[in-house]
Amino acid sequence: RKEVEQDPGPFNVPEGATVAFNCTYSNSASQSFFWYRQDCRKEPKLLMSVYSSGNEDGRFTAQLNRASQYISLLIRDSKLSDSATYLCVVNGGGSQGNLIFGKGTKLSVKP
Amino acid sequence: NAGVTQTPKFQVLKTGQSMTLQCAQDMNHEYMSWYRQDPGMGLRLIHYSVGAGITDQGEVPNGYNVSRSTTEDFPLRLLSAAPSQTSVYFCASSYPSSRGYTFGSGTRLTVV
Repeated sequence: RKEVEQDPGPFNVPEGATVAFNCTYSNSASQSFFWYRQDCRKEPKLLMSVYSSGNEDGRFTAQLNRASQYISLLIRDSKLSDSATYLCVVNGGGSQGNLIFGKGTKLSVKP
Repeated sequence: NAGVTQTPKFQVLKTGQSMTLQCAQDMNHEYMSWYRQDPGMGLRLIHYSVGAGITDQGEVPNGYNVSRSTTEDFPLRLLSAAPSQTSVYFCASSYPSSRGYTFGSGTRLTVV
């Protein structure tokens, strides 16, 4: 089983749609969880950290279910500028410096 | 603040050549890492460091060396380049907390 698994997509949605991404991780000792976005031929950029209580940043909501080892990202009212690849990231257990990236889910928002 | 600076941005090497990819950060981050990104493989961790003088191997360390003599710098050395090392290399740094990594803009390496 891969350490971090994501649906590769692509997700093609119209502007204004709500879209949800899911991610599962295998290491129950993981303590840190993040969502990154990566634009084509650019570096990954931190979108948000994910906390057990769930957290929201504007149109973006992240949830963590430790029991199921499952992380989600919800994007409401999609914008054209949301088109990117979304990466689920988990620390590999033990050291916080060992971050494991999922392969990413590609989102394309159409007019 | 410049953030995380990687040099060079592009490089072409011949098989068997060695080189060093440079990475510097000015945010006083303790953690630094090197990743490579290949199509269909996602980002894979090569080596990481949790502080000056401390390094550890990631998922794909073979063929690469690192050292961390200062907090600011974390160079990645390719000992004898192989075509399989053709990739985009990203350096990243972070505080030792749940704040996530800041990435450099990457080095695109081609080995012929």
